[in-house]
Amino acid sequence: QKEVEQNSGPLSVPEGAIASLNCTYSDRGSQSFFWYRQYSGKSPELIMSIYSNGDKEDGRFTAQLNKASQYVSLLIRDSQPSDSATYLCAVNGNNDMRFGAGTRLTVKP
Amino acid sequence: KAGVTQTPRYLIKTRGQQVTLSCSPISGHRSVSWYQQTPGQGLQFLFEYFSETQRNKGNFPGRFSGRQFSNSRSEMNVSTLELGDSALYLCASRPSDRFYGYTFGSGTRLTVV
Repeated sequence: QKEVEQNSGPLSVPEGAIASLNCTYSDRGSQSFFWYRQYSGKSPELIMSIYSNGDKEDGRFTAQLNKASQYVSLLIRDSQPSDSATYLCAVNGNNDMRFGAGTRLTVKP
Repeated sequence: KAGVTQTPRYLIKTRGQQVTLSCSPISGHRSVSWYQQTPGQGLQFLFEYFSETQRNKGNFPGRFSGRQFSNSRSEMNVSTLELGDSALYLCASRPSDRFYGYTFGSGTRLTVV
């Protein structure tokens, strides 16, 4: 079992729709969770962090965490073509951060 | 505020050679981690350094090593290069507390021929 698993996608949504990205993790002791966005040919960019169960909203982005189910998700509302990228889920365990394989999102105009 | 700086950006080496990559973290960041990114394996954790000490290490052979200097700058070294070492090597830094996310550098693209 991989430590951090994501739906590999690709995921395609129309412009203006909600994109939903999911992630599960295996280490129950994990305490901090992150979402990164990576454009093709670029390095990952941190877009959201979440530490407590529930929802955290930042503009069009909402991160959701359920530690009991070991599940993290990212919702992108009013998706724009500029949101087309690979989204990486990251989980912080014992001082090291492990990444999922990423979900490639395409937003079609 | 300057970001994470990695040098060089591109590197071509011959199988069997060794290579050293450099990383300057954001000022004030004491934790530096290195990752290898390939299309097939995604982002793989190499090691993390904090205050000149290796705090964690991923599942890579001993040919991969690193170090951190007193000014938090870090280097990683790969000896006896293999074709499979061709990848994007990313350095990332954060303040000491693990609750912070990482800021990544632009990476070093290593090609082994």
